[in-house]
Amino acid sequence: DVKVTQSSRYLVKRTGEKVFLECVQDMDHENMFWYRQDPGLGLRLIYFSYDVKMKEKGDIPEGYSVSREKKERFSLILESASTNQTSMYLCASTQSPEPQHFGDGTRLSIL
Amino acid sequence: RKEVEQDPGPFNVPEGATVAFNCTYSNSASQSFFWYRQDCRKEPKLLMSVYSSGNEDGRFTAQLNRASQYISLLIRDSKLSDSATYLCVVNGDMRFGAGTRLTVKP
Repeated sequence: DVKVTQSSRYLVKRTGEKVFLECVQDMDHENMFWYRQDPGLGLRLIYFSYDVKMKEKGDIPEGYSVSREKKERFSLILESASTNQTSMYLCASTQSPEPQHFGDGTRLSIL
Repeated sequence: RKEVEQDPGPFNVPEGATVAFNCTYSNSASQSFFWYRQDCRKEPKLLMSVYSSGNEDGRFTAQLNRASQYISLLIRDSKLSDSATYLCVVNGDMRFGAGTRLTVKP
């Protein structure tokens, strides 16, 4: 079974902090994704990556950056956290055209 | 127009009912389609793939209509445990629909 592991289930940070969300997958998948999910808005794509050191903006990249230094790891960075970034963050990986596999999610609260 | 659109519901149905959800997509070049199920405060989990010829898995049937650019999910003989949010995803776009919330009541 594919395993996608997110570093934290719950995280509380303060505004202005730099926040790192880590995601690791163990299936040698090329494609990795970061989404956020908010009530009534569904899953929104922040960034994705097709390969090491490669990244593409999704629909809502503002305020975020990503890093993919190794194939198995895709990090989401909040450069200066703000309260409107309080959300559920979901990481996923896949090897096209297979479906995405998700991590358990990180509930991030910015105070 | 959003790339993937779903009726958000909620759908409230009695046990044993048949319920159907649709999901429309805008990218005609899309090749792979999936339905996910998401329980409250959990991550989405793959329910089933959607094949061109349509496919069935027990009480669940998925269909693809390329001409009209939509996929559908039919649930027969609904169970209480089917209560969840159902998300469609069009993999060429990596975009998910907002999800359709289903509540099955006794």
